[in-house]
Amino acid sequence: GAVVSQHPSRVICKSGTSVKIECRSLDFQATTMFWYRQFPKKSLMLMATSNEGSKATYEQGVEKDKFLINHASLTLSTLTVTSAHPEDSSFYICSARDFVEGQHSPLHFGNGTRLTVT
Amino acid sequence: QKEVEQNSGPLSVPEGAIASLNCTYSDRGSQSFFWYRQYSGKSPELIMFIYSNGDKEDGRFTAQLNKASQYVSLLIRDSQPSDSATYLCAAQSSGGYQKVTFGTGTKLQVIP
Repeated sequence: GAVVSQHPSRVICKSGTSVKIECRSLDFQATTMFWYRQFPKKSLMLMATSNEGSKATYEQGVEKDKFLINHASLTLSTLTVTSAHPEDSSFYICSARDFVEGQHSPLHFGNGTRLTVT
Repeated sequence: QKEVEQNSGPLSVPEGAIASLNCTYSDRGSQSFFWYRQYSGKSPELIMFIYSNGDKEDGRFTAQLNKASQYVSLLIRDSQPSDSATYLCAAQSSGGYQKVTFGTGTKLQVIP
């Protein structure tokens, strides 16, 4: 149970284009999803908290106009990297928690998206 | 700023030995703690979670939590080469959306 699917797994795009990453909870409903970013040999940094039916909550230093998050349903959140630049190249990982598992339920991660901007 | 600290390693242990991974956290309001394993280029996978003081065992893994010392550890018994990975410690806050903060990870190398 508690499977999170993320797509695409890899994407290469040119500078100035936009890229959309999808995150789905396959067997549970996720009112909240979390988007992380990881640079090589670094830890996961929380970018934003995605809330179903409302605006995302962004961490300090994350540009909300650049990283657009939409959480239109209880099983789908999307992250769009707008006007991508080479410095946006990173590993983006979404995660969600199945609250049916209880108060201390862990985050379940998607497989991540490796974004390369040329 | 709420932080989770880990020694980056690498920690090298021989096959069959016990690997001990440590973590400290700064937010006393943290309520749950997680250990994830991450292979290079892959997404983290959950190893264990703990929220009560003391030990929690699951197969070859034992998680230990000491809230007074703000300290979490993971012991891996009978270490195998396949255990070689980066181990991420994470702490979950008690308020709001219960955000999870990750440490920088400890790289474990199990030598055959």
